[in-house]
Amino acid sequence: DVQLVQSGGGVVQPGGSLRLSCTSSGFTFTSSWMDWVRQAPGKGLEWVANINPDGDDKYYMDSVRGRFIISRDNAQNSLYLQMNNLRPEDTAVYYCARNPEFSAFDIWGHGTLVTVSS
Amino acid sequence: DVVLTQSPLSLPVTLGQPASISCSSSQSLVHNNGNTYLHWFHQRPGQSPRRLIYKVSNRDSGVPDRFSGSGSGTDFTLTISRVEAEDIGIYYCMSWPSTFGQGTKVEIK
Repeated sequence: DVQLVQSGGGVVQPGGSLRLSCTSSGFTFTSSWMDWVRQAPGKGLEWVANINPDGDDKYYMDSVRGRFIISRDNAQNSLYLQMNNLRPEDTAVYYCARNPEFSAFDIWGHGTLVTVSS
Repeated sequence: DVVLTQSPLSLPVTLGQPASISCSSSQSLVHNNGNTYLHWFHQRPGQSPRRLIYKVSNRDSGVPDRFSGSGSGTDFTLTISRVEAEDIGIYYCMSWPSTFGQGTKVEIK
């Protein structure tokens, strides 16, 4: 089956760190751009970051640049999001997604909740 | 940056009747390669989003043919020819590289 299985997330205090993981199966991960998209409680979808197949080209939304790091391990078919210096406004469900071309996200993970609260 | 404005934001529909959602862009979405990267996603309550339409009018495999996408330049429309109960949820348009519309909540009257 084609799928993305996510792990990580949880509750963290402001200023803390978390690492999200996303493991793929059923498609050629090593040739895919991969993205993270988030959704704050009761809000819409918001693009966070993406990474090219080789892992050497990365883009971030302005509010997370310098705090979040997207990375991948092609040998493990896995995508990661290291989130540092977390803020309450980062509270959201985070989804990983495959980006086959120009943000046409065709495979989505099940999502993982990150709650930043004291 | 591109801004996508969806309307309406809330759409009460009658089963079996048509429905349409508009997505208007602050600038032309025609890429310099000639393609238009405007996509539509559907999110049911408690679920991950699912792609319905890519590049304006290409319906995904498994998506019922009652769904269609149209438009060009800055104005786009998602149309459901006859709404069914499983169509409830929130619909988002999205343009490359990273802009989502606000979402349109479809519910049954």
